[in-house]
Amino acid sequence: ETVLTQSPGTLSLSPGERATLSCRASQSVNSIYLAWYQQKPGQAPRLLIYGASTRATGIPDRFSGSGSGTDFTLTISRLEPEDFAVYYCQHYGRSPRTFGQGTKVEIK
Amino acid sequence: EVLLVESGGLVVQPGGSLRLACAASGFTFDNYAMHWVRQAPGKGLEWVSVIGWDGGDTYYADSVKGRFTISRDNSKSSLYLQMNSLRTEDTALYYCTKDKRQWLAGGPFDYWGQGTLVTVSS
Repeated sequence: ETVLTQSPGTLSLSPGERATLSCRASQSVNSIYLAWYQQKPGQAPRLLIYGASTRATGIPDRFSGSGSGTDFTLTISRLEPEDFAVYYCQHYGRSPRTFGQGTKVEIK
Repeated sequence: EVLLVESGGLVVQPGGSLRLACAASGFTFDNYAMHWVRQAPGKGLEWVSVIGWDGGDTYYADSVKGRFTISRDNSKSSLYLQMNSLRTEDTALYYCTKDKRQWLAGGPFDYWGQGTLVTVSS
């Protein structure tokens, strides 16, 4: 089982700032099986990025993903008010699919 | 429009059983693997189980193996989760999710329902 560790746990930023979220895997993973999700309070998660760097349908280009091997990054270039949420990385290539514990991006 | 609507969540005593259902619409249900994901109150996401497009392949998280059974009825575009020997730690919001990849599982989860709440408590 691949364990995903996200950091930081909480990121306090202001609208307009850049957010950089990290996801580290316990073993090397194929980047085609790494995804990022956004979850707002009271809502279901939404797929943002898959294949480490491909934006899902309708996702704005301020969201970008990168990385390979064991280290992956989600970057939000300029935070909009609607981007303050919890973000999860996921390895989905095989069972068990695993999620990181989440990074909360909060308004400073 | 893809819609996934879960139902069946209840308050149940430890050791009890429950069957969750997910009604799918807006896509060709029998072309895709489907998953259950849960989220305990105030906690993160935990993958629970997956079933292949034809019901032939199923996998489970270690935490539910031997207690939960995933199934599907493609004629009704419906997904199910039979939950037995429930424990307090199974208390969570249970989401039905669609695999993005056709035919073979192994894609990200591109659509999610709104979840159904299962509470295990005496």
